[in-house]
Amino acid sequence: NAGVTQTPKFRVLKTGQSMTLLCAQDMNHEYMYWYRQDPGMGLRLIHYSVGEGTTAKGEVPDGYNVSRLKKQNFLLGLESAAPSQTSVYFCASRWDTRYEQFFGPGTRLTVL
Amino acid sequence: AQTVTQSQPEMSVQEAETVTLSCTYDTSESDYYLFWYKQPPSRQMILVIRQEAYKQQNATENRFSVNFQKAAKSFSLKISDSQLGDAAMYFCAYGTSYGNKLVFGAGTILRVKS
Repeated sequence: NAGVTQTPKFRVLKTGQSMTLLCAQDMNHEYMYWYRQDPGMGLRLIHYSVGEGTTAKGEVPDGYNVSRLKKQNFLLGLESAAPSQTSVYFCASRWDTRYEQFFGPGTRLTVL
Repeated sequence: AQTVTQSQPEMSVQEAETVTLSCTYDTSESDYYLFWYKQPPSRQMILVIRQEAYKQQNATENRFSVNFQKAAKSFSLKISDSQLGDAAMYFCAYGTSYGNKLVFGAGTILRVKS
């Protein structure tokens, strides 16, 4: 089992560029999440999904979009990157009957 | 809204000694879950221990144990016989059985001295 994987691991963007972060899990989890981690602020939820074809906003959704077309994949998109989106992004997933989340290795994104 | 507070930005411990990391949370719910995650320099988030609020017994995983005080809304992590590999950022997190997210504290950096 690969668990939760994220692509890419690092990326540098210029202001205004777009990109998509891919999260994949092979544990048949129903729930998937996207967080951002900034110094001194812990992890903050961007968007989440409770099943294939569903998405919902989290705590800091502005500037991001998501899609869950397949149960095992959860995509996070930045349409027009801004320096304020420089962060480390984590994907996580969990079963519907257990509440601990399993995390991917993270993506470090820098927006210049 | 639920909040999680870790009041110690940094802690240090001598190798082989014991250290306790503090966490308090604010909630009006009675059914919830609490977690401690470890984030070493590799950046990977690793689940250390979990506690169900309905259980009175404190959770234990090898050298890691918690002191769960439900009335005081406190959830501290005790690391015994500290090892160099325990050096990491530790996050306390709260979740509910019906909610869809975890709420994280800001984290505590643990340094282990040899």
